[in-house]
Amino acid sequence: KAGVTQTPRYLIKTRGQQVTLSCSPISGHRSVSWYQQTPGQGLQFLFEYFSETQRNKGNFPGRFSGRQFSNSRSEMNVSTLELGDSALYLCASSLDLVSHEKLFFGSGTQLSVL
Amino acid sequence: KQEVTQIPAALSVPEGENLVLNCSFTDSAIYNLQWFRQDPGKGLTSLLLIQSSQREQTSGRLNASLDKSSGRSTLYIAASQPGDSATYLCAVRSGTYKYIFGTGTRLKVLA
Repeated sequence: KAGVTQTPRYLIKTRGQQVTLSCSPISGHRSVSWYQQTPGQGLQFLFEYFSETQRNKGNFPGRFSGRQFSNSRSEMNVSTLELGDSALYLCASSLDLVSHEKLFFGSGTQLSVL
Repeated sequence: KQEVTQIPAALSVPEGENLVLNCSFTDSAIYNLQWFRQDPGKGLTSLLLIQSSQREQTSGRLNASLDKSSGRSTLYIAASQPGDSATYLCAVRSGTYKYIFGTGTRLKVLA
């Protein structure tokens, strides 16, 4: 069974540009969540999608957005990039929203904003 | 607001030693707690998940305990090996189901 796949693995962008990151969950998993990881702030929750609906949202500006498709694949978009957006962006999937489901993470997308 | 703290931030031990990593959380109304391992530049791997109604979970050399009333969890690693070197994170699922992560403990096991 394939794991969580994130593309691309690395990205270099300049300030002001926008970027789209992709996440394919494990087959059968319907919940996808996104996290930003930086050395200073650690792992911070961005948002969670379940059956194409955003169920939770973290404390990030509106420049960060996401969506989930009918096949459970998810994308996140960051517009008007800032230097502080440089981070490892991680996607995780789980079968459902219930409390006993483990999270399975992808390898992440390393975004560098110059 | 849920806050998760991990102590120590870094730990270096000789191979073969048994060790304990600590995780504290401020709101005891949790759904579950997970322990993860992260290797440099990689994603996270789930090690153990403890439901709010459980006291502990075991997998191989790993044992995790949960004390909701005191807001604490510990991850016990028996007979540590160099391959255990990684950052260990705990995460609590509470409130509106979202996970709150600790800042992690960076473990180095010396051969």
